[in-house]
Amino acid sequence: GAVVSQHPSRVICKSGTSVKIECRSLDFQATTMFWYRQFPKKSLMLMATSNEGSKATYEQGVEKDKFLINHASLTLSTLTVTSAHPEDSSFYICSANEGLAGRSTDTQYFGPGTRLTVL
Amino acid sequence: AQSVTQLDSHVSVSEGTPVLLRCNYSSSYSPSLFWYVQHPNKGLQLLLKYTSAATLVKGINGFEAEFKKSETSFHLTKPSAHMSDAAEYFCVVSVPPGGAGNMLTFGGGTRLMVKP
Repeated sequence: GAVVSQHPSRVICKSGTSVKIECRSLDFQATTMFWYRQFPKKSLMLMATSNEGSKATYEQGVEKDKFLINHASLTLSTLTVTSAHPEDSSFYICSANEGLAGRSTDTQYFGPGTRLTVL
Repeated sequence: AQSVTQLDSHVSVSEGTPVLLRCNYSSSYSPSLFWYVQHPNKGLQLLLKYTSAATLVKGINGFEAEFKKSETSFHLTKPSAHMSDAAEYFCVVSVPPGGAGNMLTFGGGTRLMVKP
């Protein structure tokens, strides 16, 4: 099946610094990738939809200036948490569709996640 | 609008006994439905998906799910639980695309515990 990777898998940073998380589709192209946030023992919350070559679409309540998303190519999307604070500590997960058409029947493949801890 | 309700936040079974994880959905469209599994500190792995073909869907690791439109349900089952099945399970409905890329709506998750 399709593989999505994330880097880094774990990051610890000081408050006020910025952290970049990469999401790559390793063996397929993805016009659209998605970024989720998962709190402990909670379900996934969609943060934004990352569109190759255009601006990301953010969900209500997600600060676009704080969570910068760049989808530079069909295999890479990045999420940058700017001026991170302890409340940004979370598990961040990306996903990508296997199909370029974006049909509802398409399977989304998920990355292994990145655990961010802000001290 | 669409929503997914997983009726049990926790399910505990003994190894070797059947597993039932319940999921109900609501959708204005003919839905595509998925079950994903997440092991601790790991990403999500697709177990199976329903896309309007056969209503009984077989997935990996012996799991299967049956789509019942009249009950708006998509329960996940396995005849015999294994210790390695202990994980968090998510029922997911796919939103028809309004643009490029479909969006997923997640249920709240069910934590499956398997006792020796």
